[in-house]
Amino acid sequence: NAGVTQTPKFRVLKTGQSMTLLCAQDMNHEYMYWYRQDPGMGLRLIHYSVGEGTTAKGEVPDGYNVSRLKKQNFLLGLESAAPSQTSVYFCASTRPPQSLSYEQYFGPGTRLTVT
Amino acid sequence: ILNVEQSPQSLHVQEGDSTNFTCSFPSSNFYALHWYRWETAKSPEALFVMTLNGDEKKKGRISATLNTKEGYSYLYIKGSQPEDSATYLCALRSYQLTFGKGTKLSVIP
Repeated sequence: NAGVTQTPKFRVLKTGQSMTLLCAQDMNHEYMYWYRQDPGMGLRLIHYSVGEGTTAKGEVPDGYNVSRLKKQNFLLGLESAAPSQTSVYFCASTRPPQSLSYEQYFGPGTRLTVT
Repeated sequence: ILNVEQSPQSLHVQEGDSTNFTCSFPSSNFYALHWYRWETAKSPEALFVMTLNGDEKKKGRISATLNTKEGYSYLYIKGSQPEDSATYLCALRSYQLTFGKGTKLSVIP
């Protein structure tokens, strides 16, 4: 039982390059999330998914796209990276918010630098 | 998007001091209020989940209270230690978790 995993752990991109971050969970959770963490900003929600095949925008969705083709995977894409997207990205998964046993399980984070 | 505010933004205390900080949120319907402890370069670590007005939770030297009527939660640390240094996040759970920006605590030996 690995919980939530993220790949890659680190990446350096040049402005304009594209990449995909992969999040995988083995807890059969319905909900998955992508956050970015920046100094003094806490965790800000980029996109989330409430089930396979569904995605929704969070607080800061611009410049990112996501896909949830399989229940266990949630992909975050940057089509044309910008220096403003330099951040640490965290993926998380949960049961539905109304669940009694709700807890948000976080991945270890991906540190992305865009030069 | 719910507005979850934490204060202070940062805090420096001496080892052995007790401290507390605040999480404020709209007093509307929500499922729960969460507290997390977050060390740099690590994933947030869950501390407490509270759902009812008047809830109090305790884990070692750390405790938290919830007031849903006035829309705030307090986190207390008794006898702060250097290993308590971290950012403490609160999050309001409605249809998703909305995080505050955190309180960064530094405990000076």
